[in-house]
Amino acid sequence: GESVGLHLPTLSVQEGDNSIINCAYSNSASDYFIWYKQESGKGPQFIIDIRSNMDKRQGQRVTVLLNKTVKHLSLQIAATQPGDSAVYFCAEKGRGSWGKLQFGAGTQVVVTP
Amino acid sequence: DAGVIQSPRHEVTEMGQEVTLRCKPISGHNSLFWYRQTMMRGLELLIYFNNNVPIDDSGMPEDRFSAKMPNASFSTLKIQPSEPRDSAVYFCASSPADGYNSPLHFGNGTRLTVT
Repeated sequence: GESVGLHLPTLSVQEGDNSIINCAYSNSASDYFIWYKQESGKGPQFIIDIRSNMDKRQGQRVTVLLNKTVKHLSLQIAATQPGDSAVYFCAEKGRGSWGKLQFGAGTQVVVTP
Repeated sequence: DAGVIQSPRHEVTEMGQEVTLRCKPISGHNSLFWYRQTMMRGLELLIYFNNNVPIDDSGMPEDRFSAKMPNASFSTLKIQPSEPRDSAVYFCASSPADGYNSPLHFGNGTRLTVT
């Protein structure tokens, strides 16, 4: 029979609007966080990272916010473009777990004209 | 920079056959990771190497899975014998020597279908 897969949460955004993608992470001891973008048929692509001693970091059109109190991470994309349509993953690394990332389930972002 | 290179891009095989997936990490990166992605479980870490030495293979699902890194520029993931439930996209990623807090760089994956 058919397998039942994960149903990714979907964020529909109008072109030109700002997007906010949220992620709840699990390990209060995590000290490093990354956002990845994955387009169909490709591997995850690094967007931006943040260390636990920071609460905000900005890149080109993207901002990551970290709230350690509630274990929440968000990615803000300014002036969303059609090329931003993809699945976005947050990933965390536990303190001392050298290089080993734990990925979230992902959020599908659909940009509409 | 060519990025992480994986081959083949697609592999279709019959149950019971041996499958070998290949990866060339980014030159100068000392850490290499194998991940598996399925709709059911998302991205799962199978094994990772540092300086060609396996550091953590706790994610390898069964003894049918094995991985090697004979040198700094090449790694293989082998499944023998393959089963239909192994069907997934397998990703290789690499990270620089100071990869303690550095992002992983992923290849474009090998889509494996076992019939």
